[in-house]
Amino acid sequence: DVKVTQSSRYLVKRTGEKVFLECVQDMDHENMFWYRQDPGLGLRLIYFSYDVKMKEKGDIPEGYSVSREKKERFSLILESASTNQTSMYLCASSFHLGMNTGELFFGEGSRLTVL
Amino acid sequence: GDSVTQMEGPVTLSEEAFLTINCTYTATGYPSLFWYVQYPGEGLQLLLKATKADDKGSNKGFEATYRKETTSFHLEKGSVQVSDSAVYFCALSGGTNAGKSTFGDGTTLTVKP
Repeated sequence: DVKVTQSSRYLVKRTGEKVFLECVQDMDHENMFWYRQDPGLGLRLIYFSYDVKMKEKGDIPEGYSVSREKKERFSLILESASTNQTSMYLCASSFHLGMNTGELFFGEGSRLTVL
Repeated sequence: GDSVTQMEGPVTLSEEAFLTINCTYTATGYPSLFWYVQYPGEGLQLLLKATKADDKGSNKGFEATYRKETTSFHLEKGSVQVSDSAVYFCALSGGTNAGKSTFGDGTTLTVKP
């Protein structure tokens, strides 16, 4: 069974802390994505990556960074967490099919609360 | 850029009722279209997809037909069950925003026994 695994389902952090969200996929996918999901706002793309050591900004990259040192792992970093970053974070991966990413495979999500 | 518009929810139906969730899109080129479903407390999973005009995607009794002339991909099911209660997202990939997917805002479906 194909899998995208997010390291933590629930996290509680304090304002100003550095937060790491880890995502690992076992499907040899080239593409990996980080989204945040908020009520009434749908899914918003934070960052994505087409290849190892490669990253591209999504629609809302401010306050976030990412790291992709290995093909299977894509990390989202909050350098200094703020309360407005309280959200559900979803990692996804897909094959790279040129213009068309094809189906996205999602992890179960990481619900982050920043106090 | 690309955009996806879903009918606003929430939608509440009785068990065995007919379901339609409307989805229209704006994109250049020849995007693929998807419906994803998110059950409570879980991530999204693919429900069905269509990769070219007039294709019909189907899964678990749900269907959607890729209509290029009306730029639509409406989700239908003839008889919903309580277990279908979830959030449904329409999405596209392969349009203007190469390599990225564009999602609608999601429609929450509640099915009552």
